[in-house]
Amino acid sequence: QVTLKESGPVLVKPTETLTLTCTVSGFSLSNARMGVSWIRQPPGKALEWLAHIFSTDEKSYSTSLKSRLTISRDTSKSQVLLTMTNMDPVDTATYYCARGILRREFDYWGLGTLVTVSS
Amino acid sequence: QTVVTQEPSFSVSPGGTVTLTCGLTSGSVSTSHYPSWYQQTPGQAPRSLIYSTNTRSSGVPHRFSGSILGNKAALTITGAQAADESDYYCVLYMGYGIYVFGTGTKVTVL
Repeated sequence: QVTLKESGPVLVKPTETLTLTCTVSGFSLSNARMGVSWIRQPPGKALEWLAHIFSTDEKSYSTSLKSRLTISRDTSKSQVLLTMTNMDPVDTATYYCARGILRREFDYWGLGTLVTVSS
Repeated sequence: QTVVTQEPSFSVSPGGTVTLTCGLTSGSVSTSHYPSWYQQTPGQAPRSLIYSTNTRSSGVPHRFSGSILGNKAALTITGAQAADESDYYCVLYMGYGIYVFGTGTKVTVL
């Protein structure tokens, strides 16, 4: 059974760095053609793709947020991490991780974690 | 900056047919963008419906179908049911591992 679970702080202050963890089970982060993406959704707004890490450990980033994002993984812990620097209130959103099959679909999603940016 | 556009909202009668589209502000959508579609109900994570333009994801009813219509990707719901009332998002693969979500369409069944 494939599952993904996001964890991290529920509240961060402006200018701080956010670190989120996605813990996966039911598949290996090294499986060919599989990877994990981070996707966010501000309250009442659309989904926004942020970053992806491939089974080869290659990474890709949203062009508009690339300078602020770092995605990494710890295969021994089955975890994918996302760091986002210089947080702003507009970054308040539910952050999801999802398994991505290359050029196909995001077939499994976590439940999401709401992160609020406020002083 | 790539923008993927969708209709803000659609209304469909129970049993009716509705076609949602997914376009680019610059250029045409093709199968090379591997269009995929997701359904999201309030408070829930998205669910995969269609991938690679027209392949239904596991367990998705046959009333959902995907295609390319002109220069856009399309999602058609044939025989809409009350349970289909949701937000729908398309995703395009832009190459180099980069994806872009569409602006989303809210579908009301009434």
